[in-house]
Amino acid sequence: AQSVSQHNHHVILSEAASLELGCNYSYGGTVNLFWYVQYPGQHLQLLLKYFSGDPLVKGIKGFEAEFIKSKFSFNLRKPSVQWSDTAEYFCAVIVDRGSTLGRLYFGRGTQLTVWP
Amino acid sequence: EAQVTQNPRYLITVTGKKLTVTCSQNMNHEYMSWYRQDPGLGLRQIYYSMNVEVTDKGDVPEGYKVSRKEKRNFPLILESPSPNQTSLYFCASSVTGTGVHEQYFGPGTRLTVT
Repeated sequence: AQSVSQHNHHVILSEAASLELGCNYSYGGTVNLFWYVQYPGQHLQLLLKYFSGDPLVKGIKGFEAEFIKSKFSFNLRKPSVQWSDTAEYFCAVIVDRGSTLGRLYFGRGTQLTVWP
Repeated sequence: EAQVTQNPRYLITVTGKKLTVTCSQNMNHEYMSWYRQDPGLGLRQIYYSMNVEVTDKGDVPEGYKVSRKEKRNFPLILESPSPNQTSLYFCASSVTGTGVHEQYFGPGTRLTVT
């Protein structure tokens, strides 16, 4: 079965620190990759997505992610975090075709806490 | 305003009492899906639908039913709720075509089964 691994359950940073959240997936075929953010008490919002093309994708609020196919990874980065980035971050993978088209697999999430 | 709506937002019920959580989207999306979110487990897909009258099981379909009679609605039915179905539920929708695209999530329904 496909799976998505997020390496860090809880990350604590000070403002202006750099952020990198790891995400690895297990499916070897064509995938679409996403990072979602969930602010406290809110629903999930899309941060960025990768479908094809340039493996370095830029999203909202200064976030970016790099797709490395050989490593099955899609790590999220931000050069300088802010207190308002405190939230839970989810990596997600959807298989682009085949028998599992439509199945979206989420990682377990990484809680980011940023201290002012 | 483009949105996914869910009702109710909060529900406390007792074991065995049938309930339905409604989900509606106004974006003419073909794809709709239900997830449950539990601490430490992230989001897990319950059921999804690629279009009207087309539904498929996700990772955790046991104890749930869905139907897709209209494009805009995708209700989640718990015929006989049990305490292990206490969770936060999200509905989502997206366009299709060359795969499935980013999903738009509803505000969530917090269900407690006692």
